Amino acid sequence: QLQLQESGPGLVNPSETLSLTCTVSGGSITTTRHYWGWIRQPPGKGLEWMGNIYYGETTYYDPSLRSRITISVDTSKNQFSLKLNSVTAADTAAYYCVRTSSTSGGITLIDYWGPGISVTVSS
Amino acid sequence: SSELTQDLAVSVALGQTVTITCQGDSLKTYYASWYQQKPGQAPLLVIYGKNNRPSGIPDRFSGSNSGNTASLTITGAQAEDEADYYCNSRDSSANHPWVFGGGTKLTVL
Repeated sequence: QLQLQESGPGLVNPSETLSLTCTVSGGSITTTRHYWGWIRQPPGKGLEWMGNIYYGETTYYDPSLRSRITISVDTSKNQFSLKLNSVTAADTAAYYCVRTSSTSGGITLIDYWGPGISVTVSS
Repeated sequence: SSELTQDLAVSVALGQTVTITCQGDSLKTYYASWYQQKPGQAPLLVIYGKNNRPSGIPDRFSGSNSGNTASLTITGAQAEDEADYYCNSRDSSANHPWVFGGGTKLTVL
């Protein structure tokens, strides 16, 4: 059974970089038809798709974050990571790492989620 | 702002049928997937594609699509179905590779 687990600091200073890691167990991060990415949820608000990476190379980012976000993969550790630069209080949220699968028919589904990690941006 | 539009809140009497809708231009091209989120928990996939349920999801959950609208129907709603429901799809504009609807709060009365 595939499992995802987020890790990283729960508190980040404004203007600094938020860095999170997702460790994948029970399966390989190098499989085809799978995207690895991040979704966040500010307190009391809805889900926000942030971005993902395909096959360790092609990245897709939400345009509102494109200037600040980097998603990368470390295949040797079966992990992928999120870096978000120049954070503000608006980046305070629960952050979920996820796997998105793509079927042969072009259907995509977010089939695995980490439990989420709460990150607060505050000095 | 979200490219997929959902009603903020919907209510249903216990045992009755309720439909939650999601509207957006991307749904003319891509299927939506639906996620259930209970307080303090990560979202859970309940419907994807034309009308597919992951293993373990009760068959009272079903999906349908017409034009720019995707619908999630719960037939015989149970108390445990009270949750927030989100739709998600790819976007036909390159600007938003994937996008979520704003979410619908379902109350089971």
